[in-house]
Amino acid sequence: NAGVTQTPKFRILKIGQSMTLQCTQDMNHNYMYWYRQDPGMGLKLIYYSVGAGITDKGEVPNGYNVSRSTTEDFPLRLELAAPSQTSVYFCASSYKPPGEQYFGPGTRLTVT
Amino acid sequence: GQQVMQIPQYQHVQEGEDFTTYCNSSTTLSNIQWYKQRPGGHPVFLIQLVKSGEVKKQKRLTFQFGEAKKNSSLHITATQTTDVGTYFCAGSYNTDKLIFGTGTRLQVFP
Repeated sequence: NAGVTQTPKFRILKIGQSMTLQCTQDMNHNYMYWYRQDPGMGLKLIYYSVGAGITDKGEVPNGYNVSRSTTEDFPLRLELAAPSQTSVYFCASSYKPPGEQYFGPGTRLTVT
Repeated sequence: GQQVMQIPQYQHVQEGEDFTTYCNSSTTLSNIQWYKQRPGGHPVFLIQLVKSGEVKKQKRLTFQFGEAKKNSSLHITATQTTDVGTYFCAGSYNTDKLIFGTGTRLQVFP
């Protein structure tokens, strides 16, 4: 099993550009999460999903959108990139809460 | 909103010394998890505590959950250079979500 995979690993965006961060898991987990981690800080929940077709906001959803059309995939969309969105983005999945969360390797995003 | 506070922010120790990080919540947690993140890496699950007063050990690591389920600690005995990283607690309040603490960065000098 590959676990949780994320692409791309790194990306530089100009202000106002848009992009999609991809996340895929092969563990048949229903629960998936998107976090952002700013330097020296903990993880903040952006969006999460409890199953295909169901998503909900976390602590910091503004400026982001998600969709969950399949169990495996949970992409995160940035529509109008802003410097405040410079961060490391982690996708995670779990079998059921509040169980162990499995994290992907992260996407390091810089907006200039 | 619900917050999980973690102290200290940083800890530098000599190899062989002990290390402890503390996690506190103002309201009762349903459970608490601990994760380790190596520099440049992603968080990796260490353990979950659910019961009041629970104590679990993993080799040199000892995890405790307070009697009131509002605090937790991670203690490492005789640190090694392989223990370097940031340790996060993450609490749940009877929801599907985890609230992560700000983490304690551990540096171990040989």
